[in-house]
Amino acid sequence: AQSVAQPEDQVNVAEGNPLTVKCTYSVSGNPYLFWYVQYPNRGLQFLLKYITGDNLVKGSYGFEAEFNKSQTSFHLKKPSALVSDSALYFCAVSSIKAAGNKLTFGGGTRVLVKP
Amino acid sequence: EPEVTQTPSHQVTQMGQEVILRCVPISNHLYFYWYRQILGQKVEFLVSFYNNEISEKSEIFDDQFSVERPDGSNFTLKIRSTKLEDSAMYFCASSGLESDYTQYFGPGTRLTVL
Repeated sequence: AQSVAQPEDQVNVAEGNPLTVKCTYSVSGNPYLFWYVQYPNRGLQFLLKYITGDNLVKGSYGFEAEFNKSQTSFHLKKPSALVSDSALYFCAVSSIKAAGNKLTFGGGTRVLVKP
Repeated sequence: EPEVTQTPSHQVTQMGQEVILRCVPISNHLYFYWYRQILGQKVEFLVSFYNNEISEKSEIFDDQFSVERPDGSNFTLKIRSTKLEDSAMYFCASSGLESDYTQYFGPGTRLTVL
């Protein structure tokens, strides 16, 4: 069975400060990891993914994430947060790099960036 | 930029009624999915679909649920006899070879069962 934990329900950060959203996972075999963002009344928007290769993955809107196999973590980071980054962030894992394979999501972390 | 679309955005129905949720996946994608998110809970996988058949389904996806690709563009989720606990946001997603199998999600349909 595969699972994802996002230990923080909410993260508050001042605009311009670094933002980190934590994610840990459990999966059999190699993990394939994803971050999605959800704005109010919108669907899940893909931010970035780790499939293989470099542990530091860069994605959309200045976000990046670091894959740490020993700590089974995939934390999302942004060096300088914007008010417009306020949204709900979801980490997800798949155990197989195969078409049609399900994603298992964490519970989500709400990010609030204050001006 | 191509995107997944879903209709309706909000569906209200009476318990016991049938509902059909519709999705138009990204045009060159071949793999389709339904997920749901009950208010305040996690996004949960329901079913994946490829080549006109179900690839995988969760324990949530019981006999009351069915999926279909009735034509070359639509992908539907049918709930045969809705229950109160089916109230949720339902997300459609699609993926394809050129996206390295990244799943792209639609905006969702909010289903309210009264």
